[in-house]
Amino acid sequence: AQKITQTQPGMFVQEKEAVTLDCTYDTSDPSYGLFWYKQPSSGEMIFLIYQGSYDQQNATEGRYSLNFQKARKSANLVISASQLGDSAMYFCAMREEPQGGSEKLVFGKGMKLTVNP
Amino acid sequence: DTEVTQTPKHLVMGMTNKKSLKCEQHMGHRAMYWYKQKAKKPPELMFVYSYEKLSINESVPSRFSPECPNSSLLNLHLHALQPEDSALYLCASSQVWDNYEQYFGPGTRLTVT
Repeated sequence: AQKITQTQPGMFVQEKEAVTLDCTYDTSDPSYGLFWYKQPSSGEMIFLIYQGSYDQQNATEGRYSLNFQKARKSANLVISASQLGDSAMYFCAMREEPQGGSEKLVFGKGMKLTVNP
Repeated sequence: DTEVTQTPKHLVMGMTNKKSLKCEQHMGHRAMYWYKQKAKKPPELMFVYSYEKLSINESVPSRFSPECPNSSLLNLHLHALQPEDSALYLCASSQVWDNYEQYFGPGTRLTVT
């Protein structure tokens, strides 16, 4: 069974500083995908970034980058230049083997990021 | 258009009521999902539709009944719910294959009294 671990329940960061959100995973499948989602208090899950297991380079999307260390099975999200609007819950997720032609996402417990002015 | 819409935003219903949650997307996605999320917990998958056919049912009680009338619409019919079913219900859609990200709607906050 695949598993996602986010051990930091909460973090605080000063505005404009960089922050790293930790995520480790466990899978025996050689082909997998890792995702990060942001969930503000409004409830919507917002896709941030994706990393495939065969991707040679770390994924980047604007201020978001993924520090992918395959041997350590970690996929940490780095947010550069934090903004007040970054305050939210952050979930790391992994794609499970497709069933019936459909993909499942397994989510970690999430962690709450608070950006202070 | 990368939007998934859900109606209603909020719903309060009694245990004997019948109600429906609606989800719509116009991104051409052929996979659609229902998730349940309790406070301070990650989303839990309930159902997956692939090409308008139910492909995954995560052992959800029969008081939740999904329906996919066409490739753009997904419904969740609710009947005889329990107070513990109160949660945020999220709809999502994606391409069917190849690690495509799921796009989520804003959710329906359901309270069962």
